[in-house]
Amino acid sequence: EVQLLESGGGLVQPGGSLRLSCAASGFTFSGYAMSWVRQAPGKGLEWVSVISGRDGTTFYADSVKGRFTISRDNSKNTLDLQMNSLRAEDTAVYYCAKMGGGTCYSALAYWGQGTLVTVSS
Amino acid sequence: DIVMTQSPDSLAVSLGERATINCKSSQNVLYSSNNKNYLAWYQQKPRQPPKLLIYWASTRESGVPDRFSGSGSGTDFTLTISSLQAEDVAVYYCQQYYGTPFTFGPGTKVDIK
Repeated sequence: EVQLLESGGGLVQPGGSLRLSCAASGFTFSGYAMSWVRQAPGKGLEWVSVISGRDGTTFYADSVKGRFTISRDNSKNTLDLQMNSLRAEDTAVYYCAKMGGGTCYSALAYWGQGTLVTVSS
Repeated sequence: DIVMTQSPDSLAVSLGERATINCKSSQNVLYSSNNKNYLAWYQQKPRQPPKLLIYWASTRESGVPDRFSGSGSGTDFTLTISSLQAEDVAVYYCQQYYGTPFTFGPGTKVDIK
């Protein structure tokens, strides 16, 4: 059974940093691309970033480019999102998602329960 | 960026009746080399993460009831729920994964009439 467990969310001041993690199990982690998707309170879904399964190719939404860094450790089955220079508009539930294949260009096949990030003074 | 639009914003359908949601992309999401539309549909129930229903525009994810179907190609797509059940009350999103940034539609809320 696929399991994705996000952690690391919380309250942070504007300009601060936070690191989210996603622990994956139940599938061959290195064989799948992984994404982060966020959802601001009461709003729709916004894709944030994706990393491919093996070669580590990454892509970012313009709204986070240069501030967020996605990474993965295939030996530990973990996905991370380092978030710097946080802004109020980054406040959202952040979901970790397993893609449908090893490349970045696939659907978001399975989603974790999410972790809430609140950026406020 | 590819902009995704959905219509209607919300709809209310009687139990057992058909629900139809439309999705339009600002650019073609059909990749000619493999003849696949890079378009997915998700269902999000209250206080739950989204769930993949349909990928490649018309392929139903394993375990998804066959009352859910996807159709369309190029820039125009449709999600159909053939016989609405109470458990189908949710917000439905389309998403393109043809090019980054991957983008979602704004969502369509489906309720029971």
